[in-house]
Amino acid sequence: AQSVTQPDIHITVSEGASLELRCNYSYGATPYLFWYVQSPGQGLQLLLKYFSGDTLVQGIKGFEAEFKRSQSSFNLRKPSVHWSDAAEYFCAVGIKAAGNKLTFGGGTRVLVKP
Amino acid sequence: GAVVSQHPSWVICKSGTSVKIECRSLDFQATTMFWYRQFPKQSLMLMATSNEGSKATYEQGVEKDKFLINHASLTLSTLTVTSAHPEDSSFYICSANRQYEQYFGPGTRLTVT
Repeated sequence: AQSVTQPDIHITVSEGASLELRCNYSYGATPYLFWYVQSPGQGLQLLLKYFSGDTLVQGIKGFEAEFKRSQSSFNLRKPSVHWSDAAEYFCAVGIKAAGNKLTFGGGTRVLVKP
Repeated sequence: GAVVSQHPSWVICKSGTSVKIECRSLDFQATTMFWYRQFPKQSLMLMATSNEGSKATYEQGVEKDKFLINHASLTLSTLTVTSAHPEDSSFYICSANRQYEQYFGPGTRLTVT
C-alpha cells in the first residue's frame, strides 16, 4: 500500500525567507503527486500537481515542487514567504488505478514570523 | 471552475440523532466523490469512495451502517451519520473527482452533544 511521510510537523520561518517542505512517498510505480494547503477551518486548496513530464512543477501563490524519483520525494518550495502563507500543508499521493484515491501525509504546519 | 460545496458548514446535534451532510459539484459532473474525516490538528483520513449509481466503498475500520453514503446523481453525494455520538464529532470534508484531480468542499464541522 502507498504511504506518504511529511517529516516536519511544524516549521517556523521569517517573512521573506525561503521555505521548503519535505514529502516522501512509498509506492511501486510513479504516482500522481499533489500539494494542498488548508487554512484553519477550511477545505483544501490545490497548490500544484505532478502527473508526468517535467519534474519541476510550478503552482499557484509562487510555490514550486520537484519530483525526484530516485529519492521518492516531492518537496515543496517557495523563495520568499508571505505572512498569508501561514497554514497547514499536505502532500498527497493519488493512485490512478483506484480512481485517484488520495493518501495524505500527516501535514506540516507553517508559522510565519514577522 | 470545479467548485464543490458542502451543506451545512456547521451542525450541532444531540446524541442518538442522525445528521445528513450534502456534497455538491456545482459546475461539473463527478462520477466519483470521496468523504474524509479530519480530527483537530491531524491529517485527512479517507472514509469512503462514493460512486454514482452504485454502493460506496468503505475504508477498513469505517462502519458502513453508521456512515451511510448515497451518490444519487452526478452532482450530489450525501453522508448521513446515524445515531450520532460525541465521538463522531469531527470535521468532515468531501471531494469530487474530475480528470484525476480532486476538488474539495469547504468542510462540515459536526458537534454531537
